[in-house]
Amino acid sequence: LAKTTQPISMDSYEGQEVNITCSHNNIATNDYITWYQQFPSQGPRFIIQGYKTKVTNEVASLFIPADRKSSTLSLPRVSLSDTAVYYCLVGSPSGSARQLTFGSGTQLTVLP
Amino acid sequence: EPEVTQTPSHQVTQMGQEVILRCVPISNHLYFYWYRQILGQKVEFLVSFYNNEISEKSEIFDDQFSVERPDGSNFTLKIRSTKLEDSAMYFCASSENRDSYEQYFGPGTRLTVT
Repeated sequence: LAKTTQPISMDSYEGQEVNITCSHNNIATNDYITWYQQFPSQGPRFIIQGYKTKVTNEVASLFIPADRKSSTLSLPRVSLSDTAVYYCLVGSPSGSARQLTFGSGTQLTVLP
Repeated sequence: EPEVTQTPSHQVTQMGQEVILRCVPISNHLYFYWYRQILGQKVEFLVSFYNNEISEKSEIFDDQFSVERPDGSNFTLKIRSTKLEDSAMYFCASSENRDSYEQYFGPGTRLTVT
């Protein structure tokens, strides 16, 4: 799995758009980028996954530039309940290596 | 929406005792996982399970650990002789598709070893 770097923490205010960037300089051709969210004392929750350009679902958008060496998770109009740790994971799910390797993540705190 | 369930939510045990943590994965999922998270630390992979056998396991998953799918719905993690350092949240996860990192996690079992 490619090594990822993301900010340790971020603060935002309710109603704002939040962008969390993850750096993955050693991403391989077959690697996908996946983001998870974790609330305190709960299991991680899948948010979004992408390979290139832009992916959007009902929760977030994922922007991946052409060189794929970084990615940005965008959360529109955050609320207090979006306060959580956000993890960026990079790897190829094909083959035998399907376990998720979590880093330290980004602690997002949404303020009123 | 289907979800992964885990029991118990909290287990307290004495050092040296055996514990069994139970999970019911999402019914049409074929791939099952156990992870743990020591308080304040990262989520760590323990083991993955497919077709009634272990697919991969980490260095943490030593001879004290075992997994089993005793029937068509349950997936269990057994720790034979618990140690203080086994105290952690244990998460079960399942996925439908092998070629995806989209795994569904349960709420966890908090294991406290005294």
